[in-house]
Amino acid sequence: AQSVTQPDIHITVSEGASLELRCNYSYGATPYLFWYVQSPGQGLQLLLKYFSGDTLVQGIKGFEAEFKRSQSSFNLRKPSVHWSDAAEYFCAVGAGNNDMRFGAGTRLTVKP
Amino acid sequence: DAGVIQSPRHEVTEMGQEVTLRCKPISGHNSLFWYRQTMMRGLELLIYFNNNVPIDDSGMPEDRFSAKMPNASFSTLKIQPSEPRDSAVYFCASTPSEQETQYFGPGTRLLVL
Repeated sequence: AQSVTQPDIHITVSEGASLELRCNYSYGATPYLFWYVQSPGQGLQLLLKYFSGDTLVQGIKGFEAEFKRSQSSFNLRKPSVHWSDAAEYFCAVGAGNNDMRFGAGTRLTVKP
Repeated sequence: DAGVIQSPRHEVTEMGQEVTLRCKPISGHNSLFWYRQTMMRGLELLIYFNNNVPIDDSGMPEDRFSAKMPNASFSTLKIQPSEPRDSAVYFCASTPSEQETQYFGPGTRLLVL
């Protein structure tokens, strides 16, 4: 059965520091992989996605993620966090939109 | 483009009442999804439509929940009768096709007392 694990429920980083949010998945084949961000009171916005090809994916707002098949991971990174990045981040996997599973989310707090 | 539009943004109702949530997908998008988000269960897919036809409603929790898409620009999710455990944020999302990126609406925050 497919599943998504985001091990960190809550992360706090200082503004300007680097960020890595972890995502591990279990899936029978190579899945489609996504990272979404949700600001308070808002819907989910796609940051980036991986379908195939280059395993290092660039997204919006300076985010990137790397697909590592051997580790079943798709971690999200940003070299320098801004206060506006404070939000909840969701990793999702699936073979298509009707088959997507979302992780429980990681809440990011940014300290000034 | 206005994005996916959902109404109302907030709904407070009493147990036993009927609740109707509305969604207008992005123009030209052929697929529409309804999700429910709670602290306990996270984000769950309830039902999705392709070209106005329900394709998979296996996520609908029980018969009290129903969804319709009478045309390409409008969908409803109805709960009748509502119960306190239905309290959640309900999201609608649309996509140009089944294999492309989903665009989410702002959600409807439902509180059933």
